[in-house]
Formats: sequence, C-alpha cells, structure tokens
Amino acid sequence: QKEVEQNSGPLSVPEGAIASLNCTYSDRGSQSFFWYRQYSGKSPELIMFIYSNGDKEDGRFTAQLNKASQYVSLLIRDSQPSDSATYLCAVNRGDFNKFYFGSGTKLNVKP
Amino acid sequence: DAGVIQSPRHEVTEMGQEVTLRCKPISGHDYLFWYRQTMMRGLELLIYFNNNVPIDDSGMPEDRFSAKMPNASFSTLKIQPSEPRDSAVYFCASSFLAGGPSSTDTQYFGPGTRLTVL
Repeated sequence: QKEVEQNSGPLSVPEGAIASLNCTYSDRGSQSFFWYRQYSGKSPELIMFIYSNGDKEDGRFTAQLNKASQYVSLLIRDSQPSDSATYLCAVNRGDFNKFYFGSGTKLNVKP
Repeated sequence: DAGVIQSPRHEVTEMGQEVTLRCKPISGHDYLFWYRQTMMRGLELLIYFNNNVPIDDSGMPEDRFSAKMPNASFSTLKIQPSEPRDSAVYFCASSFLAGGPSSTDTQYFGPGTRLTVL
C-alpha cells in the first residue's frame, strides 16, 4: 500500500465549475497535509496546507481534512483554465519533516 | 529571498560521464531535500539533510549517486557514471521545522534541473 494515494486523472471540468481532488493516506499519525500545484515543465508550488480536522478556505481554494477517514481533499471553486495543472498531495508524518507525495491528479479545466 | 536556486537548469551529457547538480537552499532553512521526477515514477525522494547532516538516503537508487552538503547554503548531487535511465528532472527543496505542524514546515522547491543522458 502506498503512503499517499491519488487518482491520476485526468479530471476534466468546465470553466466555472467546482473541481474536487482527493487524497488518502495510510499513516494515522500523519500531522500535516499539503497541496501543491505543478504546471507542465515547472516545479511544484504550494497551494494550501492543513493540519486540523475540518475545512480551511483560501480564496477559491478549500482544503478539507478528515483524520478519522484518513483523507484530505482540495476543492477549487469557479475553476479557470489557468487552474489546469497536476495537483500533488503531500503528507508529513512528523519524521524529520519528510514528505510523502502522491502521484498527482491532472486537472483539465475546459473553456 | 530568491528562493531555492538550482544549477544548471538543463544538462545534456553522454552515458558514462559524471554529472554534478547544485542547490542553494533558502537562507535559514535547516532541511534540504533532493527529489527526482519522471513520468513513470512520479516524484521520488532521493536523500535529505538536516543541519547539513544526511538523515535518510534510502531513496538513492544506487552507488552511482552521491550527495553532499558541506555547509548550510550549498548542496550537490553527483551521478558517476551517468546512464540513460538517470534522465529525469531533479528538484531540490528546503524547509524549516518549527517543532510542530505549521506552515513553516512547508517544502519550497527550486526550479529543477532537467537531465538528459544520451
């Protein structure tokens, strides 16, 4: 079993719709959770982090964490074509700040 | 701050040659990570350092790979001899651990080095 699992996609949504990206993790002791966006040919850049159960909102982005079910999700409201990228979920289990990355979900937002 | 700096940005070499990738972390960060990314295997952690000391090198694929961090502002990843299967994008990332879950343990990535071994 992989540490962090993501659906590879592609996930296609029309412009203006809500995109929902999901991630599950295996270690119940995991402490903090990150969403990175990676455009083709670029490096991963942080979108959001979350470490408490519940929702965390930042502009059009909402991260949701459910530690009991061991999943974390990212919602993108009013999706734009510029949101088209691969989204990487990362989990910090607390062991020396080592991150465990999922394989990423490719999102396509169609105009 | 200029962010994480990597050089070179692109490297094309022939099989058997030595390749050295360089990284300058964000000032004040005490963790440095080397990753490799390919379409087939995704983002793989190769090795990481804390306060210039290697903590976990279990991701280094074989003895041809070595990494050093002689001081807090510089690290190298060396491949000797290089092989075509080493072709990938190599990322360096750095972070600062505050002592508990927080935004400060975010890893910040450099622009990467695209390595092509012919």
